Amino acid sequence: GAVVSQHPSWVICKSGTSVKIECRSLDFQATTMFWYRQFPKQSLMLMATSNEGSKATYEQGVEKDKFLINHASLTLSTLTVTSAHPEDSSFYICSASPPDRENQPQHFGDGTRLSIL
Amino acid sequence: AQSVSQHNHHVILSEAASLELGCNYSYGGTVNLFWYVQYPGQHLQLLLKYFSGDPLVKGIKGFEAEFIKSKFSFNLRKPSVQWSDTAEYFCAVGPTGGGNKLTFGTGTQLKVEL
Repeated sequence: GAVVSQHPSWVICKSGTSVKIECRSLDFQATTMFWYRQFPKQSLMLMATSNEGSKATYEQGVEKDKFLINHASLTLSTLTVTSAHPEDSSFYICSASPPDRENQPQHFGDGTRLSIL
Repeated sequence: AQSVSQHNHHVILSEAASLELGCNYSYGGTVNLFWYVQYPGQHLQLLLKYFSGDPLVKGIKGFEAEFIKSKFSFNLRKPSVQWSDTAEYFCAVGPTGGGNKLTFGTGTQLKVEL
């Protein structure tokens, strides 16, 4: 079945560091990928929609200069948390779905736990 | 704006007990409905989905859900839970059309005791 790979799975770094998270669709091409953020004991909140070949679409309240998204190819989207601070510590999850043939559901990566010291 | 409400945040059941997890949504249009499960240490996995047709949908591992349009509900059920069903369950809603962004409920943590 469709698989989405996310890397790294865990990052611990100092405040002020920029962190890049990769999301890959392993056996299908995805023109659109989604980035979510999940705080402890809370739901997944959509941050942005990553569009291959064009700018990402950010949800209200998400700083586009803080969370840089690049959809470089049909199988790779990256999320870069720039100048990360402790409040950016969270669980980041990406998802993608194969091209729409019969309303394909999204497939999720394993997530990246980001801890900023 | 769309929203999804899951009423049960924590549920504890004994093995063989029946399960029903509530999910209500608010959305101004036709929707696709999903239940995802997240086992400890694993990624979100699709349990079942509703796009159209029979409002009673069956998913993996004996789960089913019923879409009641008049109640804006999509409750998840299983007649007899197992210890291995211990996980977090998320209800999600998205506009019709595959691959679109989803709105998730807050999740229900299910613990099944032996």
